[in-house]
Amino acid sequence: GAGVSQSPRYKVAKRGQDVALRCDPISGHVSLFWYQQALGQGPEFLTYFQNEAQLDKSGLPSDRFFAERPEGSVSTLKIQRTQQEDSAVYLCASSPKGPLSGELFFGEGSRLTVL
Amino acid sequence: DQQVKQNSPSLSVQEGRISILNCDYTNSMFDYFLWYKKYPAEGPTFLISISSIKDKNEDGRFTVFLNKSAKHLSLHIVPSQPGDSAVYFCAASMYSGGGADGLTFGKGTHLIIQP
Repeated sequence: GAGVSQSPRYKVAKRGQDVALRCDPISGHVSLFWYQQALGQGPEFLTYFQNEAQLDKSGLPSDRFFAERPEGSVSTLKIQRTQQEDSAVYLCASSPKGPLSGELFFGEGSRLTVL
Repeated sequence: DQQVKQNSPSLSVQEGRISILNCDYTNSMFDYFLWYKKYPAEGPTFLISISSIKDKNEDGRFTVFLNKSAKHLSLHIVPSQPGDSAVYFCAASMYSGGGADGLTFGKGTHLIIQP
């Protein structure tokens, strides 16, 4: 499709497992963001890429979280040794402009449940 | 400390009437504001935005008002339609700040349009 695509849509992991969440942004979009949305909360910024460069990772909650976008297109968010507090919807968003364009196009999210 | 606050978790409005969703912010560095709409199991979609140099922006049935001195913005939907039932997120950014910290979101307001 023409929108931002995320997979898997749902992931259940046992505490301590590693997970990888994938984001396919809209073709040609320069900027890519990852957000974490806990239940009843708004999305919270995790990290930002401009093409393949990770320009801001200030929102990553711990060093167990790692994101990459090696070819400036598809991005992967990896969470190592998952904990229950990591349970959330992880939203990917892309934008055709730079980081301050404001309007972002969001995917449907990957819902992670850590047991 | 939440920098973007939506103090009404839910709002019920009769079809055809005006819906008014409110948002307050604390960070005076914010200078670009957006509203996103979210249906269940979907990602947020951009609705309307406003720059801090304006106090009003209108797009069809949707109008956003910004009161910088009060650090308050509101979204007006008139007339309200059943398809407007969704969660509405207020978001803010430091558009001209030079940083790449994405958007700061409120917790959202669940708007319910009653027939």
